[in-house]
Amino acid sequence: AQTVTQSQPEMSVQEAETVTLSCTYDTSESDYYLFWYKQPPSRQMILVIRQEAYKQQNATENRFSVNFQKAAKSFSLKISDSQLGDAAMYFCAYRSEPYSGGSNYKLTFGKGTLLTVNP
Amino acid sequence: NAGVTQTPKFQVLKTGQSMTLQCAQDMNHNSMYWYRQDPGMGLRLIYYSASEGTTDKGEVPNGYNVSRLNKREFSLRLESAAPSQTSVYFCASRGGNLSNQPQHFGDGTRLSIL
Repeated sequence: AQTVTQSQPEMSVQEAETVTLSCTYDTSESDYYLFWYKQPPSRQMILVIRQEAYKQQNATENRFSVNFQKAAKSFSLKISDSQLGDAAMYFCAYRSEPYSGGSNYKLTFGKGTLLTVNP
Repeated sequence: NAGVTQTPKFQVLKTGQSMTLQCAQDMNHNSMYWYRQDPGMGLRLIYYSASEGTTDKGEVPNGYNVSRLNKREFSLRLESAAPSQTSVYFCASRGGNLSNQPQHFGDGTRLSIL
C-alpha cells in the first residue's frame, strides 16, 4: 500500500516571501499521479497542482510550482510571493493508475501542513 | 455550476442513531468517493463507487454502508452511530476519459456523535 508523509505539521511565511512544503511517498509503482490540495478554513478541498509521474518537467501553476524527484520519491510544493489568501492546510495526495494495479483512481493523503502567512 | 453538493452541512446525533449523508454531482462523473477527515489526519477513504451500480470498500469502511442510487447520487449511511464516527465527511467525484482528471470535492459534512 502507498503511504504519503508530510513531515511539517506547521509552517509560516512572511507575506511576499517564498515557502516550500515537503512531501514524500512510498510506492512500488512506476506510473502514478501526485496532487497538492489546499483546504482553507471554509473546509473546501481545492486542487492546487498536479504532477504526472512519467513527466520529468515540474508542474507550475502561476505562483505554485513543484519539485518532483521521482527517484527520491519526493514532491515538494513551492509557493512564491505568498499572499494572505494562501493561508490554509495543504495536503499532498498520491493516486495510482488502474493499469499499474491501483484501483479506480483512489487518493491516498498525507496528514497535512498548516501554512500561516504573516502580514 | 454546483459541482459536488453534500447535505446536510452539520449534524449532531446521539449514539445509536442512524443517519444518511447525501451527495450529488452534476458533472456526469462516473466515479464517486466518501472520505472522512479527523484532526491531525489527512482524508481517509471510506467507500467508493467506480461506476453506477458498483461500490467497494476503502481504507476505513467499518460502521458504514453506501448506496450508488444513480449516476448522480452516492449516499453514506451510519446504521448505529458511535462517538468514534465524529468527523468531517467529504464526498468527491471524478470523471472524464483523461487519466489526469482530479477528484472534485464537496464542502463537507461536520458530524458529531454524542
